[in-house]
Amino acid sequence: DAGVTQSPTHLIKTRGQQVTLRCSPISGHKSVSWYQQVLGQGPQFIFQYYEKEERGRGNFPDRFSARQFPNYSSELNVNALLLGDSALYLCASSSGTDLLSNFGSGTRLTVV
Amino acid sequence: GDSVTQMEGPVTLSEEAFLTINCTYTATGYPSLFWYVQYPGEGLQLLLKATKADDKGSNKGFEATYRKETTSFHLEKGSVQVSDSAVYFCALSDPNYGGSQGNLIFGKGTKLSVKP
Repeated sequence: DAGVTQSPTHLIKTRGQQVTLRCSPISGHKSVSWYQQVLGQGPQFIFQYYEKEERGRGNFPDRFSARQFPNYSSELNVNALLLGDSALYLCASSSGTDLLSNFGSGTRLTVV
Repeated sequence: GDSVTQMEGPVTLSEEAFLTINCTYTATGYPSLFWYVQYPGEGLQLLLKATKADDKGSNKGFEATYRKETTSFHLEKGSVQVSDSAVYFCALSDPNYGGSQGNLIFGKGTKLSVKP
């Protein structure tokens, strides 16, 4: 079975641009969460979606948004990129119970 | 709010040495506790977990016991290998925090280097 897949793997954007990151959960998983991992730090929670509804939001500005599609895949959108948005963005999926364990390999975003 | 504190790294050990990475937490409810491992250039892999006090999680020779009285979840391994070199993250999931069971709160990570 395929694990959590994220695309693209690497991305370079200019300040002020917008970016969309994509995540496909493990088959049968209905919950997707997004995390930001700045170099040298632990991941920080951005969003959780379950059954296409937002179920949790971390302490991130409104420039960050996400959605989940009927097939349970998800997109994370970041507007008006800042240099500080440069990070590894991780997606995790779960079946809807509480113990997340399945992370993708991430999208490395560099803002120049 | 909820938080996780890990010992500062990096930790450098010789092969077959004993490993301890300390982790303590602060939580308003009764969290589940996790250790994740991140190899260079990769995402996170769940190493082990414990969902209630006195539970012991174990995997691949690593162990950690959920100690509610000391709010700790220290990671141990009796004999490390070069292949264990990675960054280790302690994390908690508290459904009472942030309104979401999917909200994992991570420590800053501890880099382990094992020399032959």
